[in-house]
Amino acid sequence: AQKITQTQPGMFVQEKEAVTLDCTYDTSDPSYGLFWYKQPSSGEMIFLIYQGSYDQQNATEGRYSLNFQKARKSANLVISASQLGDSAMYFCAMPHKDSNYQLIWGAGTKLIIKP
Amino acid sequence: NAGVTQTPKFRILKIGQSMTLQCTQDMNHNYMYWYRQDPGMGLKLIYYSVGAGITDKGEVPNGYNVSRSTTEDFPLRLELAAPSQTSVYFCASSWKLAGAYNEQFFGPGTRLTVL
Repeated sequence: AQKITQTQPGMFVQEKEAVTLDCTYDTSDPSYGLFWYKQPSSGEMIFLIYQGSYDQQNATEGRYSLNFQKARKSANLVISASQLGDSAMYFCAMPHKDSNYQLIWGAGTKLIIKP
Repeated sequence: NAGVTQTPKFRILKIGQSMTLQCTQDMNHNYMYWYRQDPGMGLKLIYYSVGAGITDKGEVPNGYNVSRSTTEDFPLRLELAAPSQTSVYFCASSWKLAGAYNEQFFGPGTRLTVL
């Protein structure tokens, strides 16, 4: 069965340091994509970045980048130069292989940036 | 541009009561989704819609109903509320299906408690 695993329930990082949030996945679908969303304490879900399995280069959006390693089935989110406003829950998600209307979500990682 | 709006923000129901969670988007998106998020978990899809008049079940539809009479509105109805339906409910919309490159735009969520 498809599964998304985020092994870090919580992380503390010093402001301005880089952060890597882990996401591993299991799918038999040869074509898939990985999403990362941010959920601040206010509760809304904010789309950060996406990469498809056939994309040649790792996706980058501002300070966010995806370290996508298909052989290891991992799609880690890297946040460069962390800021206090990066403190939030971060979720990794991928489409269900039988119903791409449905996203399979990881349990999330709570990131706290220390000043 | 309001994006996706949800009402109410908070609600307490007694067991057996019914209610409708409202969701409206002003982005002319065809695709709309209802998710629930239980504490410490990722999101689970309840229902989705690919356009006005067309809805289908997601992963956890039991105890819920939806309708989509217009492109803008996608209400979620809870009949005979149960404590297991205590959760945070998110409505989302997108141009494309989850799975293609797209961004799902989320509402702020409704925190529902059933006592």
